[in-house]
Amino acid sequence: GEDVEQSLFLSVREGDSSVINCTYTDSSSTYLYWYKQEPGAGLQLLTYIFSNMDMKQDQRLTVLLNKKDKHLSLRIADTQTGDSAIYFCAESVPYNTDKLIFGTGTRLQVFP
Amino acid sequence: GAVVSQHPSRVICKSGTSVKIECRSLDFQATTMFWYRQFPKQSLMLMATSNEGSKATYEQGVEKDKFLINHASLTLSTLTVTSAHPEDSSFYICSAKRDGGRAGEQFFGPGTRLTVL
Repeated sequence: GEDVEQSLFLSVREGDSSVINCTYTDSSSTYLYWYKQEPGAGLQLLTYIFSNMDMKQDQRLTVLLNKKDKHLSLRIADTQTGDSAIYFCAESVPYNTDKLIFGTGTRLQVFP
Repeated sequence: GAVVSQHPSRVICKSGTSVKIECRSLDFQATTMFWYRQFPKQSLMLMATSNEGSKATYEQGVEKDKFLINHASLTLSTLTVTSAHPEDSSFYICSAKRDGGRAGEQFFGPGTRLTVL
């Protein structure tokens, strides 16, 4: 079955770049997503990438996709304290793009 | 836009009682909603897909008689945990897919923390 893995914790200094990594198992996923969860709030979609793309940039966010290695990463440039949250990657299930498989989440802590 | 609310945000109940959790899309219509369960330090596990006007589709291993889902309107889905037991204690999160929205895009509620004593 599908499995999505992430490292549990990342700590960075304010102003540095953060890189959150994710590996997935199903190479036929159509979309891959990054969600952000702040305390007491629902998951917020940050960005997504279509499976035939290698990279997508959206302001401070850069998503890299390596389909050969089934590796997805999210880079946050100029990380701010407001970026502290849990970040989830997710892949869509093949033939059912509405169904998502989530990773375990990476807690990003930004310190001054 | 695209706000999803859940009620209650937190509930404590006695073992054996039933608890109802509501999920509402506040500013859009959602034929399809999803219910997830999240354990501490673990990912979200999809429990079921809720479809307005039809029966919910449950994931493997989820007891449909224990987790009753009713999607009565285009803006409301409810999850009822029947005869709750301590092992049902968890964080329940719903999401909604906006009608006409992009495939795979879901808007999430803030979650409901259920504690069964």
